[in-house]
Amino acid sequence: NAGVTQTPKFRVLKTGQSMTLLCAQDMNHEYMYWYRQDPGMGLRLIHYSVGEGTTAKGEVPDGYNVSRLKKQNFLLGLESAAPSQTSVYFCASSPGLAGDYNEQFFGPGTRLTVL
Amino acid sequence: GQNIDQPTEMTATEGAIVQINCTYQTSGFNGLFWYQQHAGEAPTFLSYNVLDGLEEKGRFSSFLSRSKGYSYLLLKELQMKDSASYLCAVLDSNYQLIWGAGTKLIIKP
Repeated sequence: NAGVTQTPKFRVLKTGQSMTLLCAQDMNHEYMYWYRQDPGMGLRLIHYSVGEGTTAKGEVPDGYNVSRLKKQNFLLGLESAAPSQTSVYFCASSPGLAGDYNEQFFGPGTRLTVL
Repeated sequence: GQNIDQPTEMTATEGAIVQINCTYQTSGFNGLFWYQQHAGEAPTFLSYNVLDGLEEKGRFSSFLSRSKGYSYLLLKELQMKDSASYLCAVLDSNYQLIWGAGTKLIIKP
C-alpha cells in the first residue's frame, strides 16, 4: 500500500497563477484533510472532507478551494496564488473522526513557493 | 481562543531521558495526540491519550492530566534518530485537531 501520496512535491508559482494539488489515499479512509505548515506555527487546517462529495472549511480556507469527487482523492486548488500562500502543504486521511480513529496518516507534503 | 503551548526547542544527550511538555486550552476535549516529524518529512503518529494517566509504548510514554490541561511525552534511552520535532495536538469538541507549533529536539552524542 502506498498510503497517502501527494502531487507535485515541489512547485514555484508567480503571483496570480493557479494550480491544483492532488492527494490520493489507498486505505479506504472516509476523512481527508488539507493542512498548511509554516515556520514557528502549528499545522493549520485549510479544508476537510467527511466523505465522497462533501467538503467543509477549516481554520484558514480563504484563497483555497477543494473537491472530493472520488473517495480516494482530495484536490486543493489555488485560483490566484499570493506570496502569503508560500508554505508546505500536507494532505492527511483518517478512518474516523472520534478517538483514536482520528489517527491521521500524512502524505509527504508539497513545498510551494509563490513569487 | 484555542491554544496549545510547547517549548520551541530542547537539547538532550544520547542515552538520556527527556520530557517534552504540552499545555492546552481548547473548546472541548476528545483526546490528545503526539506526532513525530523529522525535518523535511511528514508527521507520523506516536501516541493517543483520552483518559488521565500514563500510556507506555516501548521507549516512548505519554501522560495526560485533563484537569490540568497538561500532557507530556517521555523519551527514554535517546538515540540520534530521535532528533526531530514533536507535535502535540488536541481533538476539540468539533473533532478537529488543534496543533501546537512543535518542539524541536536536538540529540547530542
